[in-house]
Parts: sequence; C-alpha cells; structure tokens
Amino acid sequence: DAKTTQPPSMDCAEGRAANLPCNHSTISGNEYVYWYRQIHSQGPQYIIHGLKNNETNEMASLIITEDRKSSTLILPHATLRDTAVYYCIVRGTASKLTFGTGTRLQVTL
Amino acid sequence: KAGVTQTPRYLIKTRGQQVTLSCSPISGHRSVSWYQQTPGQGLQFLFEYFSETQRNKGNFPGRFSGRQFSNSRSEMNVSTLELGDSALYLCASSLEGFQGEKLFFGSGTQLSVL
Repeated sequence: DAKTTQPPSMDCAEGRAANLPCNHSTISGNEYVYWYRQIHSQGPQYIIHGLKNNETNEMASLIITEDRKSSTLILPHATLRDTAVYYCIVRGTASKLTFGTGTRLQVTL
Repeated sequence: KAGVTQTPRYLIKTRGQQVTLSCSPISGHRSVSWYQQTPGQGLQFLFEYFSETQRNKGNFPGRFSGRQFSNSRSEMNVSTLELGDSALYLCASSLEGFQGEKLFFGSGTQLSVL
C-alpha cells in the first residue's frame, strides 16, 4: 500500500471549514483513499473514501487531485466534537488498512 | 443495524497468561480483521478472516492467533502474554473485504498486562 504524509496537527475555529491535506504521491491506479478519525481510546470512525472522483457524504467531502497524488478532507462546519486524530489511508487490494500517524485536529471556540 | 461489538471492553491479565477477545461483526459482514494499537507503534494490522479462513496476516509472532466461526463472529487469542502486549485491540468488519468497501471498527478491548 502507498505511504501517506499528513501534517501532525492543525487548528480550526468552530463553525469554520476544516481542510485536512494528505499526500500520497506513490498511489497506484487501483488504490482507494480512505479517511478515518479516532477520538481518544475509541475505535476509528469511517468518514469517507474515494478512488478518482470527488466524494461527499453527510460528514465530509473528499477532494482528490487529478493526478491522485494528494487529497483533502473537508469538514464544512467544524464543531468541538470534530476534535480527533484524522487518518488518511491508501488501501490496496488486501483488506488491511495501513495507518500512519495522522493529523491531530483541534477545534476551538 | 448494530455496529461491530467487541467484548470485553477492558481486561487485566498478568504476564504468562493467555487471553481471548471476541468480536461480532455487523450483520451480513463476512470479513473480520484485527488491529493492535499502542502509543509507540500506532495502529497495526494483525490478521483478517473471511469464511472461517485466515486471508491476510500482519507481522506479529505466533502467540497471536485468531479464528472465525460460521456465523462470522471472530475471536483472537494471545498466549504467553508479555508486558508489551498491553494495547487497544480493535476489530473491524466489512462485507467481503474488498478494497472499495467501507470498513467499520468496534470500540475495542483495552488489554493491560501486569
């Protein structure tokens, strides 16, 4: 599975959009980009995933660049409950997910 | 639909003992995978089961084993516990385990080895 690079931490004001970047320059054509988040000592929560096209669901939007070498997770209106560690994962053919160190997002008042 | 259920939520064991953790996947999900999370190593893949067969395996010693039953429920076992086995053990399930499927995690079992 391709390796991902994320900033270790980010801050966001409540009510503003949180844009979390992820670099995956070695991604292969059939590998998906997944985003999960984890609040302390709980299991990772699925947010969104995509292959080539941008995706949107009730939680977030995923923007994947045309060359697929990077992506951005957008939380449109961040709340204090969005404070968590966010993981960007590139998933290959195996069922396993390879987690990196993620981005610690702090949402503040 | 109920989510992925893991039991017990907390467990305390001593070195040398063995432990069995249980995972019930989401109804209809046939792929179950296990992960270990520690502060030092982060989240690491242990193994995946599908149709009662181990399909993928991570880089863990043979003390870590698992199995899956015909109803897709899974157990993992750790024998001869070491202090370093203290971790949050997470189970995840998906329909068939294909790369484009959503993978859902349980709340985990927090294991402390004394």
